[in-house]
Amino acid sequence: DTGVSQDPRHKITKRGQNVTFRCDPISEHNRLYWYRQTLGQGPEFLTYFQNEAQLEKSRLLSDRFSAERPKGSFSTLEIQRTEQGDSAMYLCASSLGASVTDTQYFGPGTRLTVL
Amino acid sequence: GQSLEQPSEVTAVEGAIVQINCTYQTSGFYGLSWYQQHDGGAPTFLSYNALDGLEETGRFSSFLSRSDSYGYLLLQELQMKDSASYFCAVLTYNTNAGKSTFGDGTTLTVKP
Repeated sequence: DTGVSQDPRHKITKRGQNVTFRCDPISEHNRLYWYRQTLGQGPEFLTYFQNEAQLEKSRLLSDRFSAERPKGSFSTLEIQRTEQGDSAMYLCASSLGASVTDTQYFGPGTRLTVL
Repeated sequence: GQSLEQPSEVTAVEGAIVQINCTYQTSGFYGLSWYQQHDGGAPTFLSYNALDGLEETGRFSSFLSRSDSYGYLLLQELQMKDSASYFCAVLTYNTNAGKSTFGDGTTLTVKP
């Protein structure tokens, strides 16, 4: 399978704990995006990378959230001191990066439940 | 900021045609995309319009009017498997690349 993969698929944690999610984009895709989706809503943009550079962060991304893409391949999204409001599906997408209009390919998501 | 409006639910019968509208307000508009998402699945890309007019891809077509800040997705010959959520997303151009802002989605239910 050469699509976008995310790990874990499900995460249940207690409030106050830290969690880290991983995204492996499609090989040779230069752009990588993180979104958050809650029930009944569309994906909300969190941040994106062009290779290893983080080019934009949403105001939704509080100081408790940090994302990295150290070698321009896989990316991690860490949430510190989780809150119940962080419960959501976290989606990763990648695109080729050849133009502004590149199609984004989404991974299956990581569903986070904060108890 | 950006805002998008689309109907929350649409119901149609197999074999029918359905149109899902999307209106948007944004700056730096570059284009309008449509995505399909089945329950528990990931969004999958359906179509993209940068210029006014109709784009056709099999049973699905998408239309854009930049002057009206309006677009729609047209689904023909509906099948049961088309039951899903459909999201419009505006692509805006900032810094070095585009960013997509999604609407809240339209849940399409196809009945026999």
